[in-house]
Amino acid sequence: GESVGLHLPTLSVQEGDNSIINCAYSNSASDYFIWYKQESGKGPQFIIDIRSNMDKRQGQRVTVLLNKTVKHLSLQIAATQPGDSAVYFCAENMGGTSYGKLTFGQGTILTVHP
Amino acid sequence: GAVVSQHPSRVICKSGTSVKIECRSLDFQATTMFWYRQFPKQSLMLMATSNEGSKATYEQGVEKDKFLINHASLTLSTLTVTSAHPEDSSFYICSASRRRDDSPLHFGNGTRLTVT
Repeated sequence: GESVGLHLPTLSVQEGDNSIINCAYSNSASDYFIWYKQESGKGPQFIIDIRSNMDKRQGQRVTVLLNKTVKHLSLQIAATQPGDSAVYFCAENMGGTSYGKLTFGQGTILTVHP
Repeated sequence: GAVVSQHPSRVICKSGTSVKIECRSLDFQATTMFWYRQFPKQSLMLMATSNEGSKATYEQGVEKDKFLINHASLTLSTLTVTSAHPEDSSFYICSASRRRDDSPLHFGNGTRLTVT
């Protein structure tokens, strides 16, 4: 079936560097995408979202880019800090009768070295 | 602060017993809640959609008689793992939606179930 996937399972960066986490999705019917951060033993924490009518959205230190042509989503974290170390998941939603139901990608482990 | 609360955060039970997990929306009414399951080093998989006042909708492959869901009020959904077995050991996470047309942005902190 269609699913959301990630290119890189792990990413290590130095403190202060910018991080880019990628995600490929295959369901062209998805119209809403969310990035979550999950720390060990905790539930997913919302980072940023984007709807399919946009290609870029910025938050505090984070930017999400959506390329619908190639079905690609990315999360950019500026000036990465040790506290950013966690597992990052992208998730997609098709809306409509599937509102609220999220399909998660496999996750990327981000490690930030001081 | 947290807007979705789960209880308990950890539970250990013996094989064959049942365990109930609660999911509460703290400052809003949730007509819909969602239950996910996460195995170690894996992603979250949707188990079922909990609908206030009606039957839950289960994803393909999820046994409805094993994972009983009750959504009796607009702020509480419960997941009961019946006749638990070691393979049911997992991290169970709920999420809640404020409105029918909103994707859930709020997740609980999960419940670690260990069946011995």
